[in-house]
Amino acid sequence: KAGVTQTPRYLIKTRGQQVTLSCSPISGHRSVSWYQQTPGQGLQFLFEYFSETQRNKGNFPGRFSGRQFSNSRSEMNVSTLELGDSALYLCASSWAPSRGEKLFFGSGTQLSVL
Amino acid sequence: AQSVTQPDIHITVSEGASLELRCNYSYGATPYLFWYVQSPGQGLQLLLKYFSGDTLVQGIKGFEAEFKRSQSSFNLRKPSVHWSDAAEYFCAVDTIQGGSEKLVFGKGTKLTVNP
Repeated sequence: KAGVTQTPRYLIKTRGQQVTLSCSPISGHRSVSWYQQTPGQGLQFLFEYFSETQRNKGNFPGRFSGRQFSNSRSEMNVSTLELGDSALYLCASSWAPSRGEKLFFGSGTQLSVL
Repeated sequence: AQSVTQPDIHITVSEGASLELRCNYSYGATPYLFWYVQSPGQGLQLLLKYFSGDTLVQGIKGFEAEFKRSQSSFNLRKPSVHWSDAAEYFCAVDTIQGGSEKLVFGKGTKLTVNP
C-alpha cells in the first residue's frame, strides 16, 4: 500500500513567485492536513481538508491557500513568495478528521525561496 | 493558548543506555497526546498516543510514555537505545478551540546516539 506522496521533493523559487505543492494521500484516506516545518518555528498547522472542504485553518496569511479534489488529492499554493516561506512542507492524511486520528505523513516538499 | 514544551533541544546518549525525552503541555481539557519521530529527510511517524485509561502507554520500536496529569507531562522513555533511534522526536497535543481541531507540536528534541 503506497504511503502519502508529496511532489515535488525539492523546489527553488525566487521572491514574488508563486508555488503549488501536491499531496496524494493513502488510498481510502479522505482527510488531508498541511504543516509547515522550519528550524525556528517548528511544525505549524496550515490547514485541513475533508471531502473537498476546508475544515480548519492555521494562523497563516491569505497568501497560503489550498484545495482538495474529489479523489482526495490536495494541493497547496503560496503566492508572492517571501524569504521566510522557505521551509519543509509536510502533508498528512488520515481516514477521517476524528480527534486523535492517526496521521500518516509524507516526506515533504523542501521549498527554498531565494 | 494550547502549547507543548520540549525542554531539551538536543540529547546525546550512548547506545544501550536508557532514554527519557521530556514533554509538557498546556491544555485545559482532557488532552489527546502523541509522540512522533522524524528521521532525516523523512516525514513523521507515530510512535504512540494517549487518550484515556492506563497512563503508561506502549508504542512501536520499544518506546513507552507516561501521562502525568498533575505534572502536565507526557515523557517518552526507552530502556535501551539503539543507533537507529537517532532522529528528531516531537510531542504533540490534539486541541479543540472554537470548534476547530488541530495538532499542536513541540519544537522537537534531536537525539544523537553514540556507539
